[in-house]
Amino acid sequence: AQRVTQPEKLLSVFKGAPVELKCNYSYSGSPELFWYVQYSRQRLQLLLRHISRESIKGFTADLNKGETSFHLKKPFAQEEDSAMYYCALTRLITANAGGTSYGKLTFGQGTILTVHP
Amino acid sequence: NAGVTQTPKFRVLKTGQSMTLLCAQDMNHEYMYWYRQDPGMGLRLIHYSVGEGTTAKGEVPDGYNVSRLKKQNFLLGLESAAPSQTSVYFCASSYGEGTFGYEQFFGPGTRLTVL
Repeated sequence: AQRVTQPEKLLSVFKGAPVELKCNYSYSGSPELFWYVQYSRQRLQLLLRHISRESIKGFTADLNKGETSFHLKKPFAQEEDSAMYYCALTRLITANAGGTSYGKLTFGQGTILTVHP
Repeated sequence: NAGVTQTPKFRVLKTGQSMTLLCAQDMNHEYMYWYRQDPGMGLRLIHYSVGEGTTAKGEVPDGYNVSRLKKQNFLLGLESAAPSQTSVYFCASSYGEGTFGYEQFFGPGTRLTVL
């Protein structure tokens, strides 16, 4: 079974401070991990994917297989970063000449980030 | 493109009443999902579909039924609503397959209260 744990329901920081949203997972295979974000009055949307190794809106996330973690980090938080953040996990079902397919997403409990001015 | 739309946006039911939530997507996605969002529980998968005419149970399917008669629509039914079904319901869709098949696109949500 796959499980995602976000230990912090609420996280508050001041503008300009570093922020880290924690995510731990349990999965026996090779996971695909993501961060989704829901800004106020907007839809839940994909923020970033671990395999892309990209920085989106200043956020990065490193997959640590030894610690089974995928923490989301930003060196200098902005007020517009205030939102609900979900860590999510899926698995790669097939990846061959016939195509690539993915399993269902398992979400963590979510962390509400508030960035104060 | 409208993306993923949900009808209705809000609904209040009495215990025992029934209702159907409609999800529609115009992205030609094969996979569609229904989630419920509850405080402290995150998003939990109720049912999902990997193609027209198919449905499967997710993590919390009890008390719900679904149908996918058309590729673009995914209906979630509550036959006899209970207060425990008070929640925000989200529909999502994805290609499921292919290079970008991992990304799910979400609807705006339906806030349901069962009295």
